[in-house]
Amino acid sequence: NAGVTQTPKFRVLKTGQSMTLLCAQDMNHEYMYWYRQDPGMGLRLIHYSVGEGTTAKGEVPDGYNVSRLKKQNFLLGLESAAPSQTSVYFCASSRDSLNQPQHFGDGTRLSIL
Amino acid sequence: AQKITQTQPGMFVQEKEAVTLDCTYDTSDQSYGLFWYKQPSSGEMIFLIYQGSYDEQNATEGRYSLNFQKARKSANLVISASQLGDSAMYFCAMRTNNNDMRFGAGTRLTVKP
Repeated sequence: NAGVTQTPKFRVLKTGQSMTLLCAQDMNHEYMYWYRQDPGMGLRLIHYSVGEGTTAKGEVPDGYNVSRLKKQNFLLGLESAAPSQTSVYFCASSRDSLNQPQHFGDGTRLSIL
Repeated sequence: AQKITQTQPGMFVQEKEAVTLDCTYDTSDQSYGLFWYKQPSSGEMIFLIYQGSYDEQNATEGRYSLNFQKARKSANLVISASQLGDSAMYFCAMRTNNNDMRFGAGTRLTVKP
């Protein structure tokens, strides 16, 4: 009963470094999402995917790239990390219907120095 | 543009009392879904309740109910018989037909013994 698994759970980067966050779901969900959560601002949608091979921009996409090569995986990339990208990142997945709730991973705490 | 507003940064309630957490939304879409999530101090996101824009009856899930007033664009969460374990951050969210998801800034609920 893994659900949504995010890797890694914690990471510290230096400004300018690159990294990839991995999200994996085992519920055969079509939709997957990446959010960032900053204090006092709730969750903001970075990118999302409505199926394998598709991606779309959310509310705050700048500085991030994503890929969905396999249905169960959704990767979030930071090509050149900046201190403003210090945040907690959440991945979520859901079935392909408006009324389906999202299932969230436990989050990745990322610090950019 | 879609927007969710939660105007109560913090709320206090006495144990066993009921509490209402406010949520207003803005969208030009006719079809949308409204969700409430709970985030305890441990950080995970827990789905509580869903209301569809075409649902005529207010949603209920155990001690949670949603006071949906479509004309006022509000979707307030009512928690009855509050318990100490209800202390957490609560987020209102909206999904529209293009699968864009927006979250409010959240309300921190504290249940007093």
